Amino acid sequence: SQKIEQNSEALNIQEGKTATLTCNYTNYSPAYLQWYRQDPGRGPVFLLLIRENEKEKRKERLKVTFDTTLKQSLFHITASQPADSATYLCALPDSNYQLIWGAGTKLIIKP
Amino acid sequence: GAGVSQSPSNKVTEKGKDVELRCDPISGHTALYWYRQSLGQGLEFLIYFQGNSAPDKSGLPSDRFSAERTGGSVSTLTIQRTQQEDSAVYLCASTSTDTQYFGPGTRLTVL
Repeated sequence: SQKIEQNSEALNIQEGKTATLTCNYTNYSPAYLQWYRQDPGRGPVFLLLIRENEKEKRKERLKVTFDTTLKQSLFHITASQPADSATYLCALPDSNYQLIWGAGTKLIIKP
Repeated sequence: GAGVSQSPSNKVTEKGKDVELRCDPISGHTALYWYRQSLGQGLEFLIYFQGNSAPDKSGLPSDRFSAERTGGSVSTLTIQRTQQEDSAVYLCASTSTDTQYFGPGTRLTVL
């Protein structure tokens, strides 16, 4: 069955630098992959969706890549700010088109 | 307004008691999901409603868990004879195309 792997260790980045988070999946390449942001005590908030035929997607300071050969998506935040500190989750559909979720990576941006 | 709402925001109960958690999805969204999230873990799918179709209950962990969605809108998740391992945050999401919009969750603590 499909599994998602995200780095469970918190990522500490200096303000202004680019933060890069990784999402790896183990099985078939999904039709799309999504990234969400989750703040403590809140539900996840959708950020970006990238489809299997797209190599890269951008939204303001966010960039997502999708490499079906490596079975990996990278999520970049450029010019990072302390307000970007949160847990970032990736999700992709399983064979029944239900989303399965990574455990998330906690990002800490230090001023 | 606007977003998905859930109630109560916090629920503390004694082992063996029944609890009901409520979700009000975004108006017009036909699909609704329930997830469970334990501390530091990813989202665990519980149940999925789509329009008038039979719900996908494949994620319910035991027969103590049930959910219904009345009139294609409000949903209630019921946990009977609660156990300590049921303690978690229960999240509801309604969907528009591929994107899920989450409520703030209900934090359930079973003593």
